[in-house]
Amino acid sequence: KAGVTQTPRYLIKTRGQQVTLSCSPISGHRSVSWYQQTPGQGLQFLFEYFSETQRNKGNFPGRFSGRQFSNSRSEMNVSTLELGDSALYLCASSLRGRENSPLHFGNGTRLTVT
Amino acid sequence: EDKVVQSPLSLVVHEGDTVTLNCSYEVTNFRSLLWYKQEKKAPTFLFMLTSSGIEKKSGRLSSILDKKELFSILNITATQTGDSAVYLCAVDTEGVQGAQKLVFGQGTRLTINP
Repeated sequence: KAGVTQTPRYLIKTRGQQVTLSCSPISGHRSVSWYQQTPGQGLQFLFEYFSETQRNKGNFPGRFSGRQFSNSRSEMNVSTLELGDSALYLCASSLRGRENSPLHFGNGTRLTVT
Repeated sequence: EDKVVQSPLSLVVHEGDTVTLNCSYEVTNFRSLLWYKQEKKAPTFLFMLTSSGIEKKSGRLSSILDKKELFSILNITATQTGDSAVYLCAVDTEGVQGAQKLVFGQGTRLTINP
């Protein structure tokens, strides 16, 4: 069974630009979550989608947005990039809908903002 | 505010030693506690614990949860250089509509010297 797939693996953008990251969950998984990982803050929750609905959102500014499609694939968008947005962005999927299903993570997209 | 604290933050041992990693938490709406291993990119799932006092084991790794005292430990026996990684503890906190959100600790960086 294929794992969580994230594209692209690496991105370099300039301040003020916008970026879209893509995530394909494990087949059959309907919940997709996004996390930001930085050396200073560790892993922080961005948002979670289930059946195309955002069910939860972390403490990030409105520049961070996402969506989920009917095939459970998800995209995350960051507009008006800032230097502090440089991070590893991790997507994770789970069965959710079943009791206590663990998250399985993709390899992430490394975003560098210059 | 939900909080997960891991200790120690860093640990260096010799191959063959036994190590114990600690994780304490204070969260609302506890659902489960999870341990992950992160080497280069994706955190890989190790254990999910939901019930107090029941040990989960996988080879040389084991973990147990104490829901009364709000902590968990991860034990690794007969350590090998391949165990070198960052070990992450996370608590799954259930939000509205069953939303899934993991709150992560800072991680313990484990280094195994040959």
